[in-house]
Amino acid sequence: DADVTQTPRNRITKTGKRIMLECSQTKGHDRMYWYRQDPGLGLRLIYYSFDVKDINKGEISDGYSVSRQAQAKFSLSLESAIPNQTALYFCATSESGWRETQYFGPGTRLLVL
Amino acid sequence: GENVEQHPSTLSVQEGDSAVIKCTYSDSASNYFPWYKQELGKRPQLIIDIRSNVGEKKDQRIAVTLNKTAKHFSLHITETQPEDSAVYFCAASLPTGNQFYFGTGTSLTVIP
Repeated sequence: DADVTQTPRNRITKTGKRIMLECSQTKGHDRMYWYRQDPGLGLRLIYYSFDVKDINKGEISDGYSVSRQAQAKFSLSLESAIPNQTALYFCATSESGWRETQYFGPGTRLLVL
Repeated sequence: GENVEQHPSTLSVQEGDSAVIKCTYSDSASNYFPWYKQELGKRPQLIIDIRSNVGEKKDQRIAVTLNKTAKHFSLHITETQPEDSAVYFCAASLPTGNQFYFGTGTSLTVIP
């Protein structure tokens, strides 16, 4: 779905470096999410935001932080990257209210050396 | 929180056969159950969903059934085709928020 974009699409970084992953959406959705995907573990929620002033921790927030700069932008930061944060990261969006379908971005593949 | 288990982790079927993927959930308050398909190298995309007030939903070759008493739901794909090959994820959502709890995925291979 081209309405949810992520940058960068691929990134290689070194242990201890700070890195930011960005997500933008043109769907007009209030809610945004960050997930990581690891083989055999499915999709796990890192952080989610229901509006610009609302940030919530998900299942695996340790080692990550987020910023909701605007309704359309939600960034994920790794303050000091470590190798076990190597994963595929997805941003997703959804409308508020009864319609709960989440729309995913194309993903960012991150390798921490 | 909610815990979703998904089985099998891998599934191979002959083209034209049916495929069934099963998920169980732990929190009886969960009321929304989407299924996502993720093709190789692509993003997950919603293929079908069901709410707790419905027992079954069908969309062409895909159907989902829900048993609230047993707390399990299943995805049924009939007349499978090679393009059905992908990883399928189930999820459950509680009414208190919009968090999805995903299963660990099923890699489906349809053999021509």
